[in-house]
Amino acid sequence: GALVYQYPRRTICKSGTSMRMECQAVGFQATSVAWYRQSPQKTFELIALSTVNSAIKYEQNFTQEKFPISHPNLSFSSMTVLNAYLEDRGLYLCGARGQENTEVFFGKGTRLTVV
Amino acid sequence: GDSVTQTEGLVTLTEGLPVMLNCTYQSTYSPFLFWYVQHLNEAPKLLLKSFTDNKRPEHQGFHATLHKSSSSFHLQKSSAQLSDSALYYCALSYSNNRIFFGDGTQLVVKP
Repeated sequence: GALVYQYPRRTICKSGTSMRMECQAVGFQATSVAWYRQSPQKTFELIALSTVNSAIKYEQNFTQEKFPISHPNLSFSSMTVLNAYLEDRGLYLCGARGQENTEVFFGKGTRLTVV
Repeated sequence: GDSVTQTEGLVTLTEGLPVMLNCTYQSTYSPFLFWYVQHLNEAPKLLLKSFTDNKRPEHQGFHATLHKSSSSFHLQKSSAQLSDSALYYCALSYSNNRIFFGDGTQLVVKP
């Protein structure tokens, strides 16, 4: 079956430092990868959408300079949170899909704590 | 703009009673609608997806009907089970792969 793995599952970083999180698709080709942040109130914020052969599209309030994303092949994507601060805390979810309008498979997320 | 609205943040009910979680949407085009379920410390998982031919999707006793006239895709189940307690998200998607999620509804089923 199709699975998405995210690692690390949890990470703690000091304020002002950066951390990288990874997303691995298994059992299908991830032509599209979306990165979300789930707030403590459990709402989803779309950070950016990466589609193969297209430029990565960032949502309002999120920038490449702050959340650089790499999507080098159909099974892997990574995102870095640069200069993390308290407001960057949350659960970062990776959602990958193969074809248009098919199911999005989510990883269990990377929980970022900033101290 | 495009958006998904889930009016209930928390729904608490007794085991055996019917479930209905509301979802309405605003969209520029004809979207696909989804329901995702997230159990504690688990990844969100697809529960239902709307069809283009007016079929009613069903899974694990849950069903939802897309009503374009009222822009709704409410989630229903005839009899709640304790294991149904989870977060439920309604989502909207276009062919450009962007997905908009509602704020989620926490369902708590009590014995």
